[in-house]
Amino acid sequence: AQTVTQSQPEMSVQEAETVTLSCTYDTSESDYYLFWYKQPPSRQMILVIRQEAYKQQNATENRFSVNFQKAAKSFSLKISDSQLGDAAMYFCAYRGQNRDDKIIFGKGTRLHILP
Amino acid sequence: IAGITQAPTSQILAAGRRMTLRCTQDMRHNAMYWYRQDLGLGLRLIHYSNTAGTTGKGEVPDGYSVSRANTDDFPLTLASAVPSQTSVYFCAIYVIVAGDSNEQFFGPGTRLTVL
Repeated sequence: AQTVTQSQPEMSVQEAETVTLSCTYDTSESDYYLFWYKQPPSRQMILVIRQEAYKQQNATENRFSVNFQKAAKSFSLKISDSQLGDAAMYFCAYRGQNRDDKIIFGKGTRLHILP
Repeated sequence: IAGITQAPTSQILAAGRRMTLRCTQDMRHNAMYWYRQDLGLGLRLIHYSNTAGTTGKGEVPDGYSVSRANTDDFPLTLASAVPSQTSVYFCAIYVIVAGDSNEQFFGPGTRLTVL
């Protein structure tokens, strides 16, 4: 069975600095999808970034980028120029390629932004 | 997120009572899911439905039931609530965005407290 591990329950970063959130996963599949979701205090789940495993190029979305290491089964999220609005819970997630596959979430990392 | 509504927003419930959490989508997507979110445990899948008329068990199905009589509605029922079911409940749909790109959209959540 697939698993997703986020080893950092909480992290803090100074405003305008860069922070990296770690995520590792376990799977025997070769094709799959990886996601980072953000959950601010409003509790709404917001997709931050998505990576298709067959793509070697790391996904980027403005200040958010990932370091996808397929062989190491690692999928870290880098937030550049951290802003106060980035304070949230961040979840790493995995989904297989089949239509009926389910998304599996890590336990989350709470990110604090220090002014 | 537009397209997925949940009701109620929050509820306090006496143990032993029956409760149905409602989820409705207007996006006509087949796959729907119920998750519970607990501190330190992330999101865990309770039940899912790949299409109207079918349902399946997720990671933590005990004490919950679902039905999928049509595409739009996917209610979650607690037949006899217990305090351990105190949680935030999210309904979600799975959407093929474009090509092989995909995304899971979440409703706003229901905070349930069982006393």
